[in-house]
Amino acid sequence: DIQMTQSPSSLSASVGDRVTITCRASQGITNYLAWYQQKPGKVPKLLIYAASSLQSGVPPRFSGSGSGTDFTLTISSLQPEDVATYYCQHYNGAPFTFGPGTKVDI
Amino acid sequence: QVQLVESGGDVVQPGGSLRLSCATSAFTFNTYGIHWVRQAPGKGLEWVAFIQFDGTNKYFADSVRGRFTLSRDNSKNTHHLQMNSLRTEDTGVYYCAKENRFCGGAKCYFLDFWGQGTLITVSS
Repeated sequence: DIQMTQSPSSLSASVGDRVTITCRASQGITNYLAWYQQKPGKVPKLLIYAASSLQSGVPPRFSGSGSGTDFTLTISSLQPEDVATYYCQHYNGAPFTFGPGTKVDI
Repeated sequence: QVQLVESGGDVVQPGGSLRLSCATSAFTFNTYGIHWVRQAPGKGLEWVAFIQFDGTNKYFADSVRGRFTLSRDNSKNTHHLQMNSLRTEDTGVYYCAKENRFCGGAKCYFLDFWGQGTLITVSS
């Protein structure tokens, strides 16, 4: 089974900062990686799929990159509404493991 | 618009059973697979199970394999997660979510629409 790790586990940044979250797969997953945002008390929301494709309606300050085993989620200019926990997930094949999450605070 | 509505959450004793339902609307039922994801209180997301769009293949996390089963009612556009031999560690919010399936890539199993979740508490 593929294991997913994320770093950091949490971060605090200022409004307007560039924020980068890293996700690593235990084996190559091509670009079959998605990122989700979960705001406190809310349902997870798809941000990015295929490692770098922005889901419809997601602000362009969010971007993703990477392939193989190493991936990043970048928020180019952090906004107050971006306070959330961010999860990566591979969908290369079952089990479709999530990363442990990265909590982002202002 | 696409909707998934979970129901069936309850308080149950260890060793008990529960069936969750996921009622879907605004998309063709037999065209998309459905994932189940859970979240223990204060913890991260855990993928639980997936049923392929045509119901032919079903996949489970190691933590629930042999205890949980998947089924679907085509007449009601509803999916079910049958949970047996429940343990305290099964406690959490259970979400159903639709796979994308037509993203243009070879694999599109990512979760593009989620239900609001239903809470399961396993406790004596």
